[in-house]
Amino acid sequence: RKEVEQDPGPFNVPEGATVAFNCTYSNSASQSFFWYRQDCRKEPKLLMSVYSSGNEDGRFTAQLNRASQYISLLIRDSKLSDSATYLCVVNKGAGGSYIPTFGRGTSLIVHP
Amino acid sequence: ETGVTQSPTHLIKTRGQQVTLRCSSQSGHNTVSWYQQALGQGPQFIFQYYREEENGRGNFPPRFSGLQFPNYSSELNVNALELDDSALYLCASSEDPGHEQYFGPGTRLTVT
Repeated sequence: RKEVEQDPGPFNVPEGATVAFNCTYSNSASQSFFWYRQDCRKEPKLLMSVYSSGNEDGRFTAQLNRASQYISLLIRDSKLSDSATYLCVVNKGAGGSYIPTFGRGTSLIVHP
Repeated sequence: ETGVTQSPTHLIKTRGQQVTLRCSSQSGHNTVSWYQQALGQGPQFIFQYYREEENGRGNFPPRFSGLQFPNYSSELNVNALELDDSALYLCASSEDPGHEQYFGPGTRLTVT
């Protein structure tokens, strides 16, 4: 089983739709979690951190479920500009050393 | 505030050669991580430097080496290049290990 798994998609949704992605992780000692978006042939850009209590940033909501070992990203009112690959990152740490593991990404295509 | 920069942007090398890639971290950041990203995959963690010391390493052979300088900029060196080393190499800096990472634009390496 991979350490961090994401459904590669693509998720093909119309503008205005709500879409959700999950990311499962295998190491229960994982300590910090993030979502990034990556446009084609560009570097990943931080979208949001994921906090234990869940957090929201505009149309985006991130949640963490430690019991089931997954994080989620919800996008409401999808825009054409949301089309990108969404990468989750899980950091497992011990003694001040953190090993970040990326999922392979989930592709989102928002169409008119 | 200057973001993360990388040089060069593109590089073509021959199998067996050696290459050095450079990364300048964002102001105020003391941690730099290096990643290799193949097409259609998420970034794979190579190693991380924190305050000039290696602070974690992924599953890459010893011919991948690096260092971090007192100004927290960093280098990635790859010896004995192989065709499979062709990829996008990304560096990311953060305030501390485990925190949000900010990526540079990457160096696209082609090994022929």
